[in-house]
Amino acid sequence: SQKIEQNSEALNIQEGKTATLTCNYTNYSPAYLQWYRQDPGRGPVFLLLIRENEKEKRKERLKVTFDTTLKQSLFHITASQPADSATYLCALDGMDTGRRALTFGSGTRLQVQP
Amino acid sequence: DAGVIQSPRHEVTEMGQEVTLRCKPISGHDYLFWYRQTMMRGLELLIYFNNNVPIDDSGMPEDRFSAKMPNASFSTLKIQPSEPRDSAVYFCASSSGSLPQETQYFGPGTRLLVL
Repeated sequence: SQKIEQNSEALNIQEGKTATLTCNYTNYSPAYLQWYRQDPGRGPVFLLLIRENEKEKRKERLKVTFDTTLKQSLFHITASQPADSATYLCALDGMDTGRRALTFGSGTRLQVQP
Repeated sequence: DAGVIQSPRHEVTEMGQEVTLRCKPISGHDYLFWYRQTMMRGLELLIYFNNNVPIDDSGMPEDRFSAKMPNASFSTLKIQPSEPRDSAVYFCASSSGSLPQETQYFGPGTRLLVL
């Protein structure tokens, strides 16, 4: 069965360091992979989308990589700030499963210490 | 644009009562999605619509749940009768484009507590 795995343990890092979050998946061949940010009491907010033929995407301090061989995406936040503290969700499309909509991982909580 | 609007923001009800959640998508968006989020199961897709037509309702838990989209600017998710295990945060999201996998814009959610 299809599975999306994100580290359920919170990631604690010091301000200014690079945060790296991992999204692994099995039994999917997604055409898209997206990352969302969710703050407590709010809905997820879109950050980045990367396509299967793209290896890397950047937006300001954010960088996403997509390795379709390893079935893994890495999400990096450079020069992290306390304001980056939130839960980060990865989402995959399910075109190859016949379910043409996004499936979300359970998310990883990031805590940036000042 | 005001973004996706959901109401109510909070709902507390007793088991057996009918609950209706409402959503107004972003104007011009073709797709509307209903999700449920709990600590145990994360963010689950319940149903989605394309141009007001339900496309995939395989995530709807059971017959107690129903969703409608009578026009492009309004959708409802109804639970009748409600049960304590329905307690969760329910999100509505919308997107534009030719595919349902495109970037989604979420509303603030409705926090439902069934006693």
